[in-house]
Amino acid sequence: TQLLEQSPQFLSIQEGENLTVYCNSSSVFSSLQWYRQEPGEGPVLLVTVVTGGEVKKLKRLTFQFGDARKDSSLHITAAQPGDTGLYLCAGARSGGYQKVTFGTGTKLQVIP
Amino acid sequence: KAGVTQTPRYLIKTRGQQVTLSCSPISGHRSVSWYQQTPGQGLQFLFEYFSETQRNKGNFPGRFSGRQFSNSRSEMNVSTLELGDSALYLCASSLDGTEPDEQYFGPGTRLTVT
Repeated sequence: TQLLEQSPQFLSIQEGENLTVYCNSSSVFSSLQWYRQEPGEGPVLLVTVVTGGEVKKLKRLTFQFGDARKDSSLHITAAQPGDTGLYLCAGARSGGYQKVTFGTGTKLQVIP
Repeated sequence: KAGVTQTPRYLIKTRGQQVTLSCSPISGHRSVSWYQQTPGQGLQFLFEYFSETQRNKGNFPGRFSGRQFSNSRSEMNVSTLELGDSALYLCASSLDGTEPDEQYFGPGTRLTVT
């Protein structure tokens, strides 16, 4: 059973456009991370959010953790070809040792 | 500092064989987790090791096993390979694995079972 659903599954946009990726769950997570993965490589951590309602900005990327800590979003402003990749959210449950559940993934293609 | 390294990067095996994959974590990181990534199932957690002990395990059959050495390096073994075991196997290291620890992934080992 996949606990973290991401939408959309695929996204192809032109350079300069804005986009939002959603990560939703019926479960509460004590923290949530976003990763980007490029072909042939492992995921690279972009951000960790831990507080409900938290918003973090990383240059053109804005991450938000839902108030109830069940959902998160990633917004990219003025997308660039370098943003192309697979975006993964990953939730961790409270209670000690980290057992991370990854989302279904969003494949983003930014066309120059 | 050096990142997480995984060897080999690519592997082709035949059904029924066994395979051992290796992972060297970032220096100072004591927690190592293993994941399987496939197009159909996405990234799924296999197990996590800390101080040579398996602390967490995902829902995979007993054919999947692992171990960690005193220097935090880790290996995973898959016995009696099946076609469905073809996947990208990723290793991630973190400081101590207590949530919300930040994981750093290696480039993965691409396993193809024929």
